[in-house]
Parts: sequence; structure tokens; C-alpha cells
Amino acid sequence: GAGVSQSPSNKVTEKGKDVELRCDPISGHTALYWYRQRLGQGLEFLIYFQGNSAPDKSGLPSDRFSAERTGESVSTLTIQRTQQEDSAVYLCASSKHRGLTDTQYFGPGTRLTVL
Amino acid sequence: QKEVEQNSGPLSVPEGAIASLNCTYSDRGSQSFFWYRQYSGKSPELIMSIYSNGDKEDGRFTAQLNKASQYVSLLIRDSQPSDSATYLCAVNIGDNTDKLIFGTGTRLQVFP
Repeated sequence: GAGVSQSPSNKVTEKGKDVELRCDPISGHTALYWYRQRLGQGLEFLIYFQGNSAPDKSGLPSDRFSAERTGESVSTLTIQRTQQEDSAVYLCASSKHRGLTDTQYFGPGTRLTVL
Repeated sequence: QKEVEQNSGPLSVPEGAIASLNCTYSDRGSQSFFWYRQYSGKSPELIMSIYSNGDKEDGRFTAQLNKASQYVSLLIRDSQPSDSATYLCAVNIGDNTDKLIFGTGTRLQVFP
């Protein structure tokens, strides 16, 4: 079946603008994750959804970042008033929820550049 | 304090050798452990998952887990230049068993 998809693949924006990043998880996957990866760095956890609720938002860097998920499917990550330090690849992953932590499958990412 | 630690490398091994990648973690309650491979400019892809102490083999890859010592390792036998990538260790952390914490990754270079 189809994998995790993300859009746009690349986004260039000016400092201060808002951006929306979209993630479509694998069909039937109830868990959805957002990560940020700065150039040459590891994966930084941002937020996790189980169904449409977010039990763990601990990784969101500031109140400029928010995310929502609807229909236990698509999720959007919104960054308001973007700053240059927000430049990174934003990765989405999804997994089945079967008790023990299940394999996360990653999308291709959205490369965000804030000028 | 980092919760999942890896040596950033690079780890350089000749083609055909065994590459050994190590990872330590801080949460004794962790139950699920994963190794992901990430090629430059690409997304991480799962190599191995392991949940029980001991070894788990899949082709040229062997994952080893020691919960008492809180480490997990990945061995790559007969290393190939195509194995050159960054290998990320991921461990579930805390009461929320669906949350993974990733290490910063070890860069592996396999030279011909």
C-alpha cells in the first residue's frame, strides 16, 4: 500500500510568515509523529498523536508551533511567525498502535527554509 | 542529559568487514528498540527492531540487546559500500510506550 506522504516537499518562506506542513499517514495507522531534523543533526521529537488527540506535545519548541489531526488521518503542523532557526527538515511518521511500541514508517519530509 | 546516546563517528570499515554500532539508553523501563538507516538527504528507514534480551538476526544484520547494561548494538556483517549511511538508534521512553527517542546517529563509512 501507499506509504506516508508529506507536502510540500520543499518550502521557502520569509521570516515572520506562517507555514503549514501536511502529513498523510499510512491507512489504518492510528499513531502519528512529527520530528524535526536540522542539518547534520539527529531527529528531534515534536509531537505525537494517538487517533486525533495529542497525549504528548512536550517537544514543541515554542507556542509558535501547533499541530492538529483530523479523522484519525491527515495531520498539519503549523509554524507561525517563522524564524530562521526553524529551518530544518520536518519528518512525519506513522505506526500501528499495538501495545508495545510499533515500527514507525517515515515520510519523505518537508524541507523548510526560512529566509 | 541525553536519553539515547550514540558515538557520532564516522566509523570507517573496509568492505567485507564487520561494522559494530553501539547505543546506550537511560530509561530502565524501555521495552522497544529500533535501528534505522538514513542515507544523506533521505528519510530514516527501519533496519531492525528488538524487544527481548539477546540477539536477533536478519540477513547480514544482527541486533543485540542487553537490558541490564542498557545497551543495544547493531552488527553488520560483510559490510558493503552501500551500507554507508547514518544509523539511528531509537528507544521508547517513559510511560507512553509509543514515544520514541532517537540518538543522534552514527555515521558509517564502508570503503572498497
